[in-house]
Amino acid sequence: GAVVSQHPSRVICKSGTSVKIECRSLDFQATTMFWYRQFPKKSLMLMATSNEGSKATYEQGVEKDKFLINHASLTLSTLTVTSAHPEDSSFYICSALRASYGYTFGSGTRLTVV
Amino acid sequence: KQEVTQIPAALSVPEGENLVLNCSFTDSAIYNLQWFRQDPGKGLTSLLLIQSSQREQTSGRLNASLDKSSGRSTLYIAASQPGDSATYLCAVSPYNTDKLIFGTGTRLQVFP
Repeated sequence: GAVVSQHPSRVICKSGTSVKIECRSLDFQATTMFWYRQFPKKSLMLMATSNEGSKATYEQGVEKDKFLINHASLTLSTLTVTSAHPEDSSFYICSALRASYGYTFGSGTRLTVV
Repeated sequence: KQEVTQIPAALSVPEGENLVLNCSFTDSAIYNLQWFRQDPGKGLTSLLLIQSSQREQTSGRLNASLDKSSGRSTLYIAASQPGDSATYLCAVSPYNTDKLIFGTGTRLQVFP
């Protein structure tokens, strides 16, 4: 079945540093991947749509210079949180779309900025 | 703007009960609807995917129905077990977009 691997699962970083999160589709090619943010006990908020070979499309209110997305291949998308601050602490989840199979989600990354 | 609401927000039941989780959406122009399960601190596991042309899908003890014209879907869980404890999310995929719009979620606890 379709598997999406997300790494790391947890990361703690100092305020002002940058953190990169990887999302890989292991057994299928994904031209489109999505990045979500989830606050405690809340639903998922779509941040951006990542398209292979082109610029990501960001949702309204999401700072594209803060959350850099790169989709360099058909199996890998990365989200970099630049100059992280404590308010960026959250649970980040990626997903990949596979035609006729729907969406497959990664296991999520818990980011804590101290 | 598509809005997806789930009722109830939380549910606590004894083992063995049959459950109904509700999902409603404001715009019926959807491509499909998907139900997910999320365990605490984890990603999402897809449970059932219903295409807009379908009325229901079944997998084991789970049955999901879709009434697109009225903007509603239900997830039926038969003979609930403690292992079913999780948050259940429904999500719709609007026409002409690959985005998923998530509902507010139902936190389910099944106690022995």
